[in-house]
Amino acid sequence: QKEVEQDPGPLSVPEGAIVSLNCTYSNSAFQYFMWYRQYSRKGPELLMYTYSSGNKEDGRFTAQVDKSSKYISLFIRDSQPSDSATYLCAMRYSSASKIIFGSGTRLSIRP
Amino acid sequence: DAGVIQSPRHEVTEMGQEVTLRCKPISGHDYLFWYRQTMMRGLELLIYFNNNVPIDDSGMPEDRFSAKMPNASFSTLKIQPSEPRDSAVYFCASTVRVDTQYFGPGTRLTVL
Repeated sequence: QKEVEQDPGPLSVPEGAIVSLNCTYSNSAFQYFMWYRQYSRKGPELLMYTYSSGNKEDGRFTAQVDKSSKYISLFIRDSQPSDSATYLCAMRYSSASKIIFGSGTRLSIRP
Repeated sequence: DAGVIQSPRHEVTEMGQEVTLRCKPISGHDYLFWYRQTMMRGLELLIYFNNNVPIDDSGMPEDRFSAKMPNASFSTLKIQPSEPRDSAVYFCASTVRVDTQYFGPGTRLTVL
């Protein structure tokens, strides 16, 4: 079993829809949770970063962590075609430990 | 700032050949990471350096892989001899804080 599981998609939604992307994990020791966005033929870029449980909002993006269920989510409101990319969840045990990435979900926003 | 620079962007080589991938981190960053990305295995950490010193190389697949960081502005990842299963996109990333990594554009390696 992988430490971090993520549905690879692809996920296709119409412009303006609310998108929900999710990851599950197996090790309750994870404390730091991240979402990276990766456009085609580019390197990943950090989108959201949270510590422990709770929600964090940044513009149209909301990251949610539920440690009791070992489940994290990224919500995108008012989705735009420019949001079309692969989204990778990532997590780590401590601020100094290596990052474990999910396999990524490919998202396509239809105009 | 130019960001993390990687070269070459694409490399096609034949099995058995030596491959050298290069990375220039963002100036002032003291951590440097090498990752490999494939469809099957996703994004995997191979090795990372702090202040030019290798800290964790547990992700390096085997002795055919080696990485060096002779100074704060340059790192190499070498594969010798290369095999078809090494075909992947190799990313370099750098940071001053371990939580926020800045990735380069990657090198797409194809071993025939």
